[in-house]
Amino acid sequence: AQSVTQLGSHVSVSEGALVLLRCNYSSSVPPYLFWYVQYPNQGLQLLLKYTSAATLVKGINGFEAEFKKSETSFHLTKPSAHMSDAAEYFCAVGRSSGGGNKLTFGTGTQLKVEL
Amino acid sequence: DGGITQSPKYLFRKEGQNVTLSCEQNLNHDAMYWYRQDPGQGLRLIYYSQIVNDFQKGDIAEGYSVSREKKESFPLTVTSAQKNPTAFYLCASGNLDRDNEQFFGPGTRLTVL
Repeated sequence: AQSVTQLGSHVSVSEGALVLLRCNYSSSVPPYLFWYVQYPNQGLQLLLKYTSAATLVKGINGFEAEFKKSETSFHLTKPSAHMSDAAEYFCAVGRSSGGGNKLTFGTGTQLKVEL
Repeated sequence: DGGITQSPKYLFRKEGQNVTLSCEQNLNHDAMYWYRQDPGQGLRLIYYSQIVNDFQKGDIAEGYSVSREKKESFPLTVTSAQKNPTAFYLCASGNLDRDNEQFFGPGTRLTVL
């Protein structure tokens, strides 16, 4: 079975400060890992994904994440927060298992960006 | 433009009524998924389908039903047996020969009055 834990349901940062959203996963096989962003009353948009290539993954809007197998982590970072980054962020883990390529999602982290 | 459409955006129903949520994709994806989203609980899988005329239960299938008569369409029916149907419902699709990436529709917010 696979699972995802997102530490911190709410994170608040100042505009221009570092953004760090934490994600730890559990998987019995090498995982695929994803970060999605959701703005209010909208669907999810893919930020970035790890699929066993480079461990440092760059995504859209200046976000990046590093896969650390030893720590079973896939934390999301952005060097300088912008007001437009305020949204909810979801980490997800998946693997091709013949079971429909399902994803397991974390409970989400709401990011607030303050002036 | 390729993508996933869900309709309606907002839906209201009375207790005891069945209601069907639409999901259509023109991405030529084999797999389609329905999720339910509640505050603080992330996304929970209701049903998924890998091929036309076949579908499997997810983690919270009770009180829901689906059909997959066409590759492009995967409607979800919320039945009167669903005890707490008020939620945000998201449809997604993806290719089975890819890396599990799923593409999401804009969602339908269902409110039971």
